[in-house]
Amino acid sequence: GNSVTQMEGPVTLSEEAFLTINCTYTATGYPSLFWYVQYPGEGLQLLLKATKADDKGSNKGFEATYRKETTSFHLEKGSVQVSDSAVYFCASVNAGGTSYGKLTFGQGTILTVHP
Amino acid sequence: ETGVTQSPTHLIKTRGQQVTLRCSSQSGHNTVSWYQQALGQGPQFIFQYYREEENGRGNFPPRFSGLQFPNYSSELNVNALELDDSALYLCASSPRPESEAFFGQGTRLTVV
Repeated sequence: GNSVTQMEGPVTLSEEAFLTINCTYTATGYPSLFWYVQYPGEGLQLLLKATKADDKGSNKGFEATYRKETTSFHLEKGSVQVSDSAVYFCASVNAGGTSYGKLTFGQGTILTVHP
Repeated sequence: ETGVTQSPTHLIKTRGQQVTLRCSSQSGHNTVSWYQQALGQGPQFIFQYYREEENGRGNFPPRFSGLQFPNYSSELNVNALELDDSALYLCASSPRPESEAFFGQGTRLTVV
């Protein structure tokens, strides 16, 4: 089945710093890839997605590029804000096979941004 | 457009009891998935329903069961509750099984 590995956290940054959260995946076939964000006490919100190699997903200043050659989908933001403090999850889903329809999540990365 | 809604938001049950959690899917979505999220962990896939049929199941025992109704809403039932079942239970709906999923706010279940 699929697996997703995120960089160890937590990550603590000052406001306006550059953010990178690493994510690598293993999968049979070509999964779709996602980043979700979870604020305290809430469910998950879809942040961005990419469905095929070299696709770039972007939303609210966040970006991630689907890299098939390195099986990666790293999340980046050029200038973080205090309001970006949350837990970020990388996830994959297959369009077929044994992991069809099953979202596989990484362990999550806690981001804290200080003023 | 109404998003995914779950009920109840919080629940406290005693070990050995049974519980039913409910989820209304987003309009136009025929696929509902359930996930268990323990504290400090990523969500774990329980099962998925597509057009009222189970479409895949994760590594959860048979005491976790589900149902999807003709209007695509869904229930998660857990029998013989154990202390380790304490978690946030998330429901997600999607337009197709393999597409992005949209999550509800979750139900926080505490088993004492």
